[in-house]
Amino acid sequence: EVQLVESGGGLIQPGRSLRLSCAGSGFFFGDDGLSWFRQPPGKGLEWVGYIRAKAFGEATNYAASVKDRFIISRDDSKGIAHLQMNSLKTEDTGVYFCTRDRIRYFDWIPGGYYYYMDVWGKGTTVIVSS
Amino acid sequence: DIQMTQSPSSLSASQGDRVIITCRASQSISKSLNWYRHKPGGAPELLIYAASTLQSGVQSRVSGSGSGTEFTLTISSLQPEDFATYYCQQSYITPYTFGQGTKLEIK
Repeated sequence: EVQLVESGGGLIQPGRSLRLSCAGSGFFFGDDGLSWFRQPPGKGLEWVGYIRAKAFGEATNYAASVKDRFIISRDDSKGIAHLQMNSLKTEDTGVYFCTRDRIRYFDWIPGGYYYYMDVWGKGTTVIVSS
Repeated sequence: DIQMTQSPSSLSASQGDRVIITCRASQSISKSLNWYRHKPGGAPELLIYAASTLQSGVQSRVSGSGSGTEFTLTISSLQPEDFATYYCQQSYITPYTFGQGTKLEIK
């Protein structure tokens, strides 16, 4: 069974750091990109950032709200990705999900590569509060 | 950023009904639109990608259509497991953005 499991959430004070982990199983971890999303309490889903597969240079990209504070990394040998969250703010509170990102080639999209998130974990909760 | 607007925000329906959820993008996203179902405490589930491609394992009573700025998700013959919140998401360009969600409740 293809599965992603997030861990590392908890209660943390503003300004501190926290590292979340995303463990994959049931598929070849190194083949796929990975993304992180979050859901603030009572709100909808937000994209946090992604890391592409090694074949695509492990390129990363982040939402403006977390850029320069959050870092996504991956260790394909262990089948784990991390979200390093620094300088945490109260507005970073929420459930954090990791996803497996699949690629399909379509000629109607710029660059040809279409990414979609086909597997999600159940999430881990981060509460930033003093 | 591309704004995604879903309607309705909530919907009450009965088992066996057909429902349609609409998603509008603030600019053209071609067919770069995904639909997810999300139940409280669970993992979001991919239903449709590239506007109309049914994800493997998803029942064929779920379908998607549209391109450009207007998209729809149709679920025919509602089953108990369909009562959840549905989100559209554009993956045309970062930041990937979502609609605000449509909560489908049992009438």
